Amino acid sequence: QQQVKQSPQSLIVQKGGISIINCAYENTAFDYFPWYQQFPGKGPALLIAIRPDVSEKKEGRFTISFNKSAKQFSLHIMDSQPGDSATYFCAASTAQAAGNKLTFGGGTRVLVKP
Amino acid sequence: NAGVTQTPKFQVLKTGQSMTLQCAQDMNHEYMSWYRQDPGMGLRLIHYSVGAGITDQGEVPNGYNVSRSTTEDFPLRLLSAAPSQTSVYFCASRALNPYEQYFGPGTRLTVT
Repeated sequence: QQQVKQSPQSLIVQKGGISIINCAYENTAFDYFPWYQQFPGKGPALLIAIRPDVSEKKEGRFTISFNKSAKQFSLHIMDSQPGDSATYFCAASTAQAAGNKLTFGGGTRVLVKP
Repeated sequence: NAGVTQTPKFQVLKTGQSMTLQCAQDMNHEYMSWYRQDPGMGLRLIHYSVGAGITDQGEVPNGYNVSRSTTEDFPLRLLSAAPSQTSVYFCASRALNPYEQYFGPGTRLTVT
């Protein structure tokens, strides 16, 4: 059972364009929503994270939008660059879960064309 | 400060063989975990530990054992490898607060 559903599986965007990745979750107890970036042959690295008490968080060209009522959150990459080409994972966790386990979405492979 | 290290980087096993994937962290993090990554499945939690001497099962624990004798090390053991265990394995660590997890570089395992 996949509690966090991520879409699309892959996307291609031109340099300077906007990349948008969406995630939906089922467990209303989730209270921490991070996004990870993974380059080929490397481990995932935390990109940006949000908690449900805010609707949007921006760090540089990366923005998380959060819709608590719809149980959805999304990552926007503005002014996409070829160096942003990577696989992106959304995840969710709850402070109530033993060990604060992260549940990951299936990943989105992003290719930014120059 | 090396962060999270994993060995080996690559491994090929025959069905039925056993092996241990090593993981170490030098950040004095209490929480460590093992994930496997398969195409389209994201990362799935195998086992985790909230401190030395304490381990628990994650989402896909069958076929894997762990132990945590020190804060730094968290090895993952495959007792009898199966082709279904072909995957990329990531170890991660974090402090109990904040939530940020640091991942190792991964071990690519192939079971034939």
